[in-house]
Amino acid sequence: AQSVTQPDIHITVSEGASLELRCNYSYGATPYLFWYVQSPGQGLQLLLKYFSGDTLVQGIKGFEAEFKRSQSSFNLRKPSVHWSDAAEYFCAVGARNAGNMLTFGGGTRLMVKP
Amino acid sequence: AAGVIQSPRHLIKEKRETATLKCYPIPRHDTVYWYQQGPGQDPQFLISFYEKMQSDKGSIPDRFSAQQFSDYHSELNMSSLELGDSALYFCASSLEIQGRDTEAFFGQGTRLTVV
Repeated sequence: AQSVTQPDIHITVSEGASLELRCNYSYGATPYLFWYVQSPGQGLQLLLKYFSGDTLVQGIKGFEAEFKRSQSSFNLRKPSVHWSDAAEYFCAVGARNAGNMLTFGGGTRLMVKP
Repeated sequence: AAGVIQSPRHLIKEKRETATLKCYPIPRHDTVYWYQQGPGQDPQFLISFYEKMQSDKGSIPDRFSAQQFSDYHSELNMSSLELGDSALYFCASSLEIQGRDTEAFFGQGTRLTVV
């Protein structure tokens, strides 16, 4: 069975600082990997996804993530955080033979200090 | 571009009542997924349908049932509601294309409160 771990429940960064959110997954083969962002009471917005190919993936809002097979990781990064980035971030994994049936991590709540 | 539409956006029900949540996928999408997100929790997969047939089943209680109709919209029926069913219910849709990687698009969710 696949699983996702986001080790950091809460992260606080200063506006303008760089950001890295950690994601580790467990899956027997090469998975589909996703990062979603959720503002309070809102839906899930896809930031970026990895299916295959280049392991450095660019997403929306200046985010990027790198798939590292050897570390079973898919960490999300942003060079300069904006106050509007404060939200909950979810990493998710999908199995290649099960379409988009996703397993989500527990989420990381990002707070941005002025 | 058209997105996944869920209705209603908010729903308040009493214990032991029933609720029906509706999901209208993006036009031409043939697959629908339902997820449940409890307060402070991550979304949990409930069930999915492809071409009107159930394709995968997750942690969906026996009190819940779902189906996908001929126009590809889907309904999640919840009976004998319990306080613990209070959650945000997401629907997502995708178009399955043989040999291609496709992503699912999520709706805004239906917030169900059971009192």
